[in-house]
Amino acid sequence: RKEVEQDPGPFNVPEGATVAFNCTYSNSASQSFFWYRQDCRKEPKLLMSVYSSGNEDGRFTAQLNRASQYISLLIRDSKLSDSATYLCVVNMRGYNQGGKLIFGQGTELSVKP
Amino acid sequence: DTEVTQTPKHLVMGMTNKKSLKCEQHMGHRAMYWYKQKAKKPPELMFVYSYEKLSINESVPSRFSPECPNSSLLNLHLHALQPEDSALYLCASSQGAAGYGYTFGSGTRLTVV
Repeated sequence: RKEVEQDPGPFNVPEGATVAFNCTYSNSASQSFFWYRQDCRKEPKLLMSVYSSGNEDGRFTAQLNRASQYISLLIRDSKLSDSATYLCVVNMRGYNQGGKLIFGQGTELSVKP
Repeated sequence: DTEVTQTPKHLVMGMTNKKSLKCEQHMGHRAMYWYKQKAKKPPELMFVYSYEKLSINESVPSRFSPECPNSSLLNLHLHALQPEDSALYLCASSQGAAGYGYTFGSGTRLTVV
């Protein structure tokens, strides 16, 4: 079983649609959780951290369920510029200082006019 | 300065060559990382440095040799690479172990011929 698993993609949606990404992780000792976005041939960039209480940033809402080891990302009113690969990321804390980020395989999103 | 700078951006090397990838940050981060990313795959952790000491080596072949000369610099020395080592090599830094404040460089795209 992979340490971080995401929905297989790609997702092709029209502008204005609501899109949901799901992710599960296997290590219950995982410390922190993130969604990253990666554009084609670019580096991953942090989209948002994910907290147990749930958190929202504009059109983006992230949820974490530690009991189910489940993370989600909801994008409302999707824009053409949201087209990218979305990566679910879990920090398996290293035995010393220095986080150990484990990436899910990513889900490609394509928003069409 | 909130950037991680990687050089070179592109590198083509033969299997008998020796080359080095360089990474620099001036954010005062004490943890630095090397990741490898193949096309259509997520980044995979290679090495973690914390306070200039190697804290994680993810069973990386010895033809990859990391070095952290000081808290701002991270090198990856390459020797006798194989064509399958062709990939995007990403450097990152973070404030500490929890994974927050993780910043990626734009990467070095390496081709081994």
